[in-house]
Amino acid sequence: SQKIEQNSEALNIQEGKTATLTCNYTNYSPAYLQWYRQDPGRGPVFLLLIRENEKEKRKERLKVTFDTTLKQSLFHITASQPADSATYLCALEGADSNYQLIWGAGTKLIIKP
Amino acid sequence: DAMVIQNPRYQVTQFGKPVTLSCSQTLNHNVMYWYQQKSSQAPKLLFHYYDKDFNNEADTPDNFQSRRPNTSFCFLDIRSPGLGDAAMYLCATSSSSSGGRPIQYFGAGTRLSVL
Repeated sequence: SQKIEQNSEALNIQEGKTATLTCNYTNYSPAYLQWYRQDPGRGPVFLLLIRENEKEKRKERLKVTFDTTLKQSLFHITASQPADSATYLCALEGADSNYQLIWGAGTKLIIKP
Repeated sequence: DAMVIQNPRYQVTQFGKPVTLSCSQTLNHNVMYWYQQKSSQAPKLLFHYYDKDFNNEADTPDNFQSRRPNTSFCFLDIRSPGLGDAAMYLCATSSSSSGGRPIQYFGAGTRLSVL
């Protein structure tokens, strides 16, 4: 079955540095991959979507890459700020689609001042 | 602002006492989802509606039911909550008419506690 893996350990980054989060997937070749941010006690908020034919996507300080050979996406936050501290989830469109997403458990990012 | 609203934000119920969670949306999206999320876990899809068509996940317990009386509202009924049902319940919407892919818009969630 389709599986998504995100680093379950929290990532601690010094303010101003670039934070890089990883999303690996197996047993599937999704056409699209999405990244969401989730703050404690809140629902996820959509950040970026990248298509399989796109190597890279940028939005302000955010950058996402999508390597279909490695079956991996990297999510970068440049010039990180304490306000970027949250859990970041990646999600893939399911094989049967039908407007469903398969979710990773997320990686908690902590930006230290 | 268009949004997805869940009520209540916090719900405490007793073991076995039925509970209903509600979700409303002003986005006019035709797809609505209910997820269960436990601490540090991925959101788990319980069911979703594509327009009026109800889609139940194979591993969703019969204890969970849903209703969607109209486009704007969706309800999650837990008939006999057990201790294992304590979780955050998330409602989300998406649009199939956007021409894009299923970007999902979430409510703030309902935190359910079972005593």
